[in-house]
Amino acid sequence: GESVGLHLPTLSVQEGDNSIINCAYSNSASDYFIWYKQESGKGPQFIIDIRSNMDKRQGQRVTVLLNKTVKHLSLQIAATQPGDSAVYFCAEKGSSNYKLTFGKGTLLTVNP
Amino acid sequence: DGGITQSPKYLFRKEGQNVTLSCEQNLNHDAMYWYRQDPGQGLRLIYYSQIVNDFQKGDIAEGYSVSREKKESFPLTVTSAQKNPTAFYLCASSYREYSNQPQHFGDGTRLSIL
Repeated sequence: GESVGLHLPTLSVQEGDNSIINCAYSNSASDYFIWYKQESGKGPQFIIDIRSNMDKRQGQRVTVLLNKTVKHLSLQIAATQPGDSAVYFCAEKGSSNYKLTFGKGTLLTVNP
Repeated sequence: DGGITQSPKYLFRKEGQNVTLSCEQNLNHDAMYWYRQDPGQGLRLIYYSQIVNDFQKGDIAEGYSVSREKKESFPLTVTSAQKNPTAFYLCASSYREYSNQPQHFGDGTRLSIL
């Protein structure tokens, strides 16, 4: 989702449903993308990454999809659990430098 | 267990005071980073370091200073020149600057003004 000012986009789902969190990135030269999960008062935790030569990568209960044509990244979480409640950030890295550019995040709330 | 340790968890600064945030890693990572996070915002890069005794400014370095005397340690000083220091500060590390490897984060230090 898009973030506006200080208000994070939010996604509320029922426990057991699948969640899809979206991210639009800015740099067409970015070659590496990461999803992080951040719980309240903690640092971001690595979830999954994908390189630009791929369009899909799967982990345990998570799948990342990359659409370079429209510069869009998504994170799918299967069978969402209350422990998945957190802020999720995408990050992109340009091909010629070190720097990670972070999105503003999406707040996922899982209702039991 | 390998990881990144940040201390203290909470820190208060008085007017005109410099404060130093600690970051230690035992992951044998080459590169280390400092980020600032404000409420409802993404992370902004303050400083980064590829190797010992070398570091570069990030996007918002003004009012901050760092040192990298040991591979494991990358302390951040928030100086009195930083007029809006209240934020959540995150330290991260990774194997190499240009490789496609994720950065791993500590659990942050929350800095507030007294």
